[in-house]
Amino acid sequence: GESVGLHLPTLSVQEGDNSIINCAYSNSASDYFIWYKQESGKGPQFIIDIRSNMDKRQGQRVTVLLNKTVKHLSLQIAATQPGDSAVYFCAETAKTSYDKVIFGPGTSLSVIP
Amino acid sequence: NAGVMQNPRHLVRRRGQEARLRCSPMKGHSHVYWYRQLPEEGLKFMVYLQKENIIDESGMPKERFSAEFPKEGPSILRIQQVVRGDSAAYFCASSRLVLQGIEYGYTFGSGTRLTVV
Repeated sequence: GESVGLHLPTLSVQEGDNSIINCAYSNSASDYFIWYKQESGKGPQFIIDIRSNMDKRQGQRVTVLLNKTVKHLSLQIAATQPGDSAVYFCAETAKTSYDKVIFGPGTSLSVIP
Repeated sequence: NAGVMQNPRHLVRRRGQEARLRCSPMKGHSHVYWYRQLPEEGLKFMVYLQKENIIDESGMPKERFSAEFPKEGPSILRIQQVVRGDSAAYFCASSRLVLQGIEYGYTFGSGTRLTVV
């Protein structure tokens, strides 16, 4: 079936550097994308989202980029901090089935102090 | 994750027993979603419920699994005759209204970690 997948399962970055987490999606009908952060023992926490009519959206220290041509999504974290260490999931959903959010397998981000 | 309450946080069951997982949505939310997460994997959609109705159960295993969201009380995910393969973290999310914008309402609980021994 359709799925969302990640290129890199693990990522280690130095504190203060920028982090880039990538994601590929295959469902061309998806029109809404979300990045979640999951810390150990906790549920996913919403970070930032983007709709398909946009190609970039910025939040506090985070930016999401969407390239619909190649079905690629990325999350950029500026000035990465130890508290950013977690597993990051991209997720997608479509107007026709907003009840179902499809998650990718996740990327584990480790921040080296 | 404040607001969506799941209990118990940890549940241990022997093979063949029943597991009951509870989820109380955020105040004002009438839509509940259950997801399962295996170790080192992403979350897999199981079922979407509104009060007293199952809207989409396409992710639920055909046997042994059931879910309900009664008019009063929490949503219950029930697993009968558990097997080792049911060991996972089960997460519940809630929202106000699906088409109103997931980003403002789709909130996850902290999950129930089920271990089948």
